[in-house]
Amino acid sequence: GAVVSQHPSRVICKSGTSVKIECRSLDFQATTMFWYRQFPKQSLMLMATSNEGSKATYEQGVEKDKFLINHASLTLSTLTVTSAHPEDSSFYICSAGGTSGGAHNEQFFGPGTRLTVL
Amino acid sequence: QKEVEQDPGPLSVPEGAIVSLNCTYSNSAFQYFMWYRQYSRKGPELLMYTYSSGNKEDGRFTAQVDKSSKYISLFIRDSQPSDSATYLCAMSYDSWGKLQFGAGTQVVVTP
Repeated sequence: GAVVSQHPSRVICKSGTSVKIECRSLDFQATTMFWYRQFPKQSLMLMATSNEGSKATYEQGVEKDKFLINHASLTLSTLTVTSAHPEDSSFYICSAGGTSGGAHNEQFFGPGTRLTVL
Repeated sequence: QKEVEQDPGPLSVPEGAIVSLNCTYSNSAFQYFMWYRQYSRKGPELLMYTYSSGNKEDGRFTAQVDKSSKYISLFIRDSQPSDSATYLCAMSYDSWGKLQFGAGTQVVVTP
């Protein structure tokens, strides 16, 4: 149980384009989803927290107009990187918490999406 | 000073040895402690989840929390080459809280 998927697993795009990443909880309903980015050999940095049906809460320093998050249902959250630039190239990982009967901080992670902006 | 400190390694051990990992933290308000395993280019996988101080065992894995010393540990017994990965500690203030991660320790188990 507690499987989280992400799509796509890898994306290469040109500078200035927008990229959408999907995060799905496959076998449970997640009341909260989190988006992280991870640079090589570094730990996960939380970008934002999203709850189904409400606006996402962004961490300090994360541009909410650049990283659009939509949590449309209890099983789907999307991250859209708008007008991507090479410095946005990173590994983006989502996680889901608040599984049925579980704590919200017991997070289950997706496999990640590697974004490369040329 | 980071809230959570973790030695990045790499930590190299022979197959069958005990792997010992640890994290220290500065904020005594942390109540929940986790260990994640992350293989290269993959998402982290939850290994252990503990609340407050004490020990927890699951198969070859043992997690220890010493809140008085602000120190947590993960031990892996009878290590296997498949245990080679990066191990991340994480902690939060409450069950609703966001996680604070350590930098991760790279572990290499040699046959």
